[in-house]
Amino acid sequence: SQKIEQNSEALNIQEGKTATLTCNYTNYSPAYLQWYRQDPGRGPVFLLLIRENEKEKRKERLKVTFDTTLKQSLFHITASQPADSATYLCALPPPAAGNKLTFGGGTRVLVKP
Amino acid sequence: GAVVSQHPSWVICKSGTSVKIECRSLDFQATTMFWYRQFPKQSLMLMATSNEGSKATYEQGVEKDKFLINHASLTLSTLTVTSAHPEDSSFYICSAPPAGTYEQYFGPGTRLTVT
Repeated sequence: SQKIEQNSEALNIQEGKTATLTCNYTNYSPAYLQWYRQDPGRGPVFLLLIRENEKEKRKERLKVTFDTTLKQSLFHITASQPADSATYLCALPPPAAGNKLTFGGGTRVLVKP
Repeated sequence: GAVVSQHPSWVICKSGTSVKIECRSLDFQATTMFWYRQFPKQSLMLMATSNEGSKATYEQGVEKDKFLINHASLTLSTLTVTSAHPEDSSFYICSAPPAGTYEQYFGPGTRLTVT
């Protein structure tokens, strides 16, 4: 089965700096990879989807890269703000057809003013 | 758009009783919905895939007779936790992908506490 690794240690960052999160996976290479944000006691919120043939994708202050050779995705939050404090999850689909997702353990980000 | 609601947002029940949780897609139709469980400080664990008009598909290790899923319409899936025990206490979250998309839209979650 797919194994997804995210840094379990919280990332403390100063407001205005860039936060960089890592998602590493093993076994098969997925057709796409997704990133979600989850606040405490809430359901996750979809942020970005990047396909295997895309190297980079941006949405406002967010940037995602996808390196299928390294089996790694990087998630960047530029000009971070205290409101960006949350847990960020990466998720991958199964090797077969279907749209169910397997989630990584998530990385908690804390942006300090 | 793509809003998913859950009801109730929290519930406390006694051991041995059953609890039903509803998941609704408010502004889109969902032939597939997913049910997850999340324990404190852990990630989401997929329990089952709910398919409109057919039986749910359960993940390995999830008891289908304990966690009953019904997907009776294109906008509603229900999860019933039968004969609940304290170890079933958890945060239950549903999600649904709009047709033709891969991203999932999650409900706000239901906090279940079994005493």
